[in-house]
Amino acid sequence: EDQVTQSPEALRLQEGESSSLNCSYTVSGLRGLFWYRQDPGKGPEFLFTLYSAGEEKEKERLKATLTKKESFLHITAPKPEDSATYLCAVQVGGAQKLVFGQGTRLTINP
Amino acid sequence: GAVVSQHPSRVICKSGTSVKIECRSLDFQATTMFWYRQFPKQSLMLMATSNEGSKATYEQGVEKDKFLINHASLTLSTLTVTSAHPEDSSFYICSAQQETGDLLYNEQFFGPGTRLTVL
Repeated sequence: EDQVTQSPEALRLQEGESSSLNCSYTVSGLRGLFWYRQDPGKGPEFLFTLYSAGEEKEKERLKATLTKKESFLHITAPKPEDSATYLCAVQVGGAQKLVFGQGTRLTINP
Repeated sequence: GAVVSQHPSRVICKSGTSVKIECRSLDFQATTMFWYRQFPKQSLMLMATSNEGSKATYEQGVEKDKFLINHASLTLSTLTVTSAHPEDSSFYICSAQQETGDLLYNEQFFGPGTRLTVL
């Protein structure tokens, strides 16, 4: 069975304190790994798609990396507005659907 | 990026009534749309995959007679919760897959969600 596990479940940082969120996966035939940001009461906002091990993508203070077993979302010098739940999802084999992890609730204190 | 809308954003209904939620892709065509449900502090759970012009594919444990899905055009899918009960109260989110012509690079964009409360 395809599984996606995110850690930590929740993370509190001070403004400017860099850290990383982890997404580990056990799937048969990864087609793509997706990162989304979700604010309370809203739908997920697309951040990145990674397709192969070694791939990296950046957007402002966020950088996503991918290995054969896991993905990291690195956040550099975060600001309070980066507070949100970050969701990782995988798309497997010939399927179009996404399998989501439980998410990491990130809080950045000013 | 691609924009997906949902209507209504919030709905409150009495137990036993039916509720229809619309999902539209505003600036692209989506052959495939997806419906998710999210309970408080939990992740998204896929309910069904909606394909334009054909029957939806439901995930295990999702009642197809209770959650009716129609994908009548390349920009619109609807989810109807029939005979709603309090346990159906949840946050319903749709997504639409923007097809780039390369099956390896299809990305999903999500709507803002619909908060359903059944009294």
